[in-house]
Amino acid sequence: DVKVTQSSRYLVKRTGEKVFLECVQDMDHENMFWYRQDPGLGLRLIYFSYDVKMKEKGDIPEGYSVSREKKERFSLILESASTNQTSMYLCASSVGQVNSPLHFGNGTRLTVT
Amino acid sequence: GQNIDQPTEMTATEGAIVQINCTYQTSGFNGLFWYQQHAGEAPTFLSYNVLDGLEEKGRFSSFLSRSKGYSYLLLKELQMKDSASYLCAVKSGGSYIPTFGRGTSLIVHP
Repeated sequence: DVKVTQSSRYLVKRTGEKVFLECVQDMDHENMFWYRQDPGLGLRLIYFSYDVKMKEKGDIPEGYSVSREKKERFSLILESASTNQTSMYLCASSVGQVNSPLHFGNGTRLTVT
Repeated sequence: GQNIDQPTEMTATEGAIVQINCTYQTSGFNGLFWYQQHAGEAPTFLSYNVLDGLEEKGRFSSFLSRSKGYSYLLLKELQMKDSASYLCAVKSGGSYIPTFGRGTSLIVHP
């Protein structure tokens, strides 16, 4: 079974802090994703990576950056956290094929106060 | 861009059948996925359709009509544990990135 592990289940940070969300997958998947999920808005893509050191902006990249130094790890960085970044963050991975589904981590509930 | 529509909420009775619809508008269609997400948990993959027709997997079936831009997820013999959000997602244009609908919250009551 594919395992996608997110480092924290719950996180509380203060406005202006730099925040790192870590995600690791154990199935050698090429693709990794960061989404945020908010009530009524569904899943929105923040960033996508299709290979080590490769990244593409998603629908809402503003205020975020990412790092993929190793194939198994994809980090989401909030350079200066703001209250409107309070959300559920979901990491996912997939094989590099169009017909492959996403495998999600359990999510990180981030609260910025 | 892509536009994916699904009902926001549905309710059904335990033991019944429910159909959750998803309509989409896209070019270069590459497939449609259904995911189930229980409250507070990660979405999990249910089904994938790329050709027209019905795919059956136990109590769950998924249907696709590419010409109509339409899919549905059919849940039979509903159980309380089927209460969850059901997400429709479409891939197109050869992209690895799916676009998700906003999800349908299904409430199953006794």
